[in-house]
Amino acid sequence: GQNIDQPTEMTATEGAIVQINCTYQTSGFNGLFWYQQHAGEAPTFLSYNVLDGLEEKGRFSSFLSRSKGYSYLLLKELQMKDSASYLCAVVDSNYQLIWGAGTKLIIKP
Amino acid sequence: IAGITQAPTSQILAAGRRMTLRCTQDMRHNAMYWYRQDLGLGLRLIHYSNTAGTTGKGEVPDGYSVSRANTDDFPLTLASAVPSQTSVYFCASSDSQDAPGGYTFGSGTRLTVV
Repeated sequence: GQNIDQPTEMTATEGAIVQINCTYQTSGFNGLFWYQQHAGEAPTFLSYNVLDGLEEKGRFSSFLSRSKGYSYLLLKELQMKDSASYLCAVVDSNYQLIWGAGTKLIIKP
Repeated sequence: IAGITQAPTSQILAAGRRMTLRCTQDMRHNAMYWYRQDLGLGLRLIHYSNTAGTTGKGEVPDGYSVSRANTDDFPLTLASAVPSQTSVYFCASSDSQDAPGGYTFGSGTRLTVV
């Protein structure tokens, strides 16, 4: 079967750096997304990786290793507003999105 | 404002009743999707449509139906609601199947079946 694994919850301190990992086992691979979802709101697009390597976008960076079935989202200079769930999703061979259950990130002052 | 509009925002529904969740987008996206999100589970695809006039079944289609008469609208119908359909429902769209620009989500419909 297809599977996306992320930690359920992480805690970090304001101003610090946090890395959220995602491992996947899917039938084919056509890209990986990271989304942010604040409580009670819709998911919003953060990043897309289809080739190996690091994509940097401001305070957020996303890394992909296709050979290892692994990605991470790196958040720098954490702010209280970064408290949210972070969803990893993989596009499989049928161009369907397979979603992880999400990682709830708690930021403490 | 460009985006996706879902209605209603929330609903309490008696078991056995029929209900249609509405979804409209104004971005002229070809592909549209219906997901349900339950605590501890990832978003699960119910039905999708790659272009107007076509639909397909996702991971959890039983008890739901959709139609795609035009590009903008993608309603989801529960023919006879059951308590296990209590969930948050998100409609989403993308300009193509392999959308590197990501999917755009509506604000969701919180449905409680009692």
